Amino acid sequence: EAQVTQNPRYLITVTGKKLTVTCSQNMNHEYMSWYRQDPGLGLRQIYYSMNVEVTDKGDVPEGYKVSRKEKRNFPLILESPSPNQTSLYFCASSKGISNQPQHFGDGTRLSIL
Amino acid sequence: DQQVKQNSPSLSVQEGRISILNCDYTNSMFDYFLWYKKYPAEGPTFLISISSIKDKNEDGRFTVFLNKSAKHLSLHIVPSQPGDSAVYFCAASRNTGNQFYFGTGTSLTVIP
Repeated sequence: EAQVTQNPRYLITVTGKKLTVTCSQNMNHEYMSWYRQDPGLGLRQIYYSMNVEVTDKGDVPEGYKVSRKEKRNFPLILESPSPNQTSLYFCASSKGISNQPQHFGDGTRLSIL
Repeated sequence: DQQVKQNSPSLSVQEGRISILNCDYTNSMFDYFLWYKKYPAEGPTFLISISSIKDKNEDGRFTVFLNKSAKHLSLHIVPSQPGDSAVYFCAASRNTGNQFYFGTGTSLTVIP
């Protein structure tokens, strides 16, 4: 089954404790992306990757890091989480960006205390 | 600055009637538009898309209309069904760009 898998689904942690949210897709997609969803703000793109070892900032990259060492995996790293990063996070992938819809994971709800 | 806007946070419609969800955009360089549907505790799922070379695209009960001069698109669902109750996001991208831009979402409730 074609899918994008995120882990963990839920996490409550404290300010400053490094965390990683993993994302894996089994569709051999080139393009992968991370979004955060906040009330009244919709989905905002954090980082995206056009292919292995190619990553770039989206609209809200501050406080986040990503890496793309393998085509299937695109982890999101919060080196020193802060309460304003409490949000619902989605990973997505697509074959490309031109005229290609994205497949989304089921989301990771992060609470930073 | 929000480049894709959905000005109606919510919409309620009777079962069997038409649902019309609206979306406006500011960037005239956008040339690919999509609608996604999102149920609680799930990720958005792709619903329907339209390229800027068209002004209408239809898929079953779902039709998307694009008015480039007004920078406006709309999603029509007819007839609406209770299972259509969800949050709907519109999104846009540029053929020469690398990003997708999403609206803030419209929560549709279809009343049985």
